Amino acid sequence: NAGVTQTPKFQVLKTGQSMTLQCAQDMNHNSMYWYRQDPGMGLRLIYYSASEGTTDKGEVPNGYNVSRLNKREFSLRLESAAPSQTSVYFCASSAQRDSNEQFFGPGTRLTVL
Amino acid sequence: KQEVTQIPAALSVPEGENLVLNCSFTDSAIYNLQWFRQDPGKGLTSLLLIQSSQREQTSGRLNASLDKSSGRSTLYIAASQPGDSATYLCAVKGNTGKLIFGQGTTLQVKP
Repeated sequence: NAGVTQTPKFQVLKTGQSMTLQCAQDMNHNSMYWYRQDPGMGLRLIYYSASEGTTDKGEVPNGYNVSRLNKREFSLRLESAAPSQTSVYFCASSAQRDSNEQFFGPGTRLTVL
Repeated sequence: KQEVTQIPAALSVPEGENLVLNCSFTDSAIYNLQWFRQDPGKGLTSLLLIQSSQREQTSGRLNASLDKSSGRSTLYIAASQPGDSATYLCAVKGNTGKLIFGQGTTLQVKP
């Protein structure tokens, strides 16, 4: 039981490049989330998926797209990376949207030059 | 808009002390409150989850309390150890289904 896994662990991009961050969970959870963590700003929700087939915007969705590929996987795509997207990205999952504990992955450290 | 505040931002204590970390939130209409631990360069580890109907939760040397009416939660750590050094985050989940995080308290326990 690996919990929540994320790939890659580290990535350096140039401005304008695109990339997809991958997330998978093996806990049969319905809900999945993408956060970014920045110094002085704390953790902020980018997008979430309450259940397979649905996605909703969080607090800071601009510049990102997501895909809930199946119940296990939830990917985050940066179409045209900007230096402001330099951050640590965390994926999380929970059994249900409202009442359950969230479990986090190890994070992806992204630098955009 | 829900806002979560954690005070102090940093805390240094000698090993063996009992300590309390504070978390306050502005909107009492919450589903639950969750305490996390984050080690430098690592992800978040869930410590305790308190549902809105509960007053406290305990796990080992950790005890978290919740007072919804006053918008406060505390995380009590008994007999602190150097291995407890980390950043502790609280987060509340409201009727939007989204977790709102505090900025965290960075704890250093000195041997």
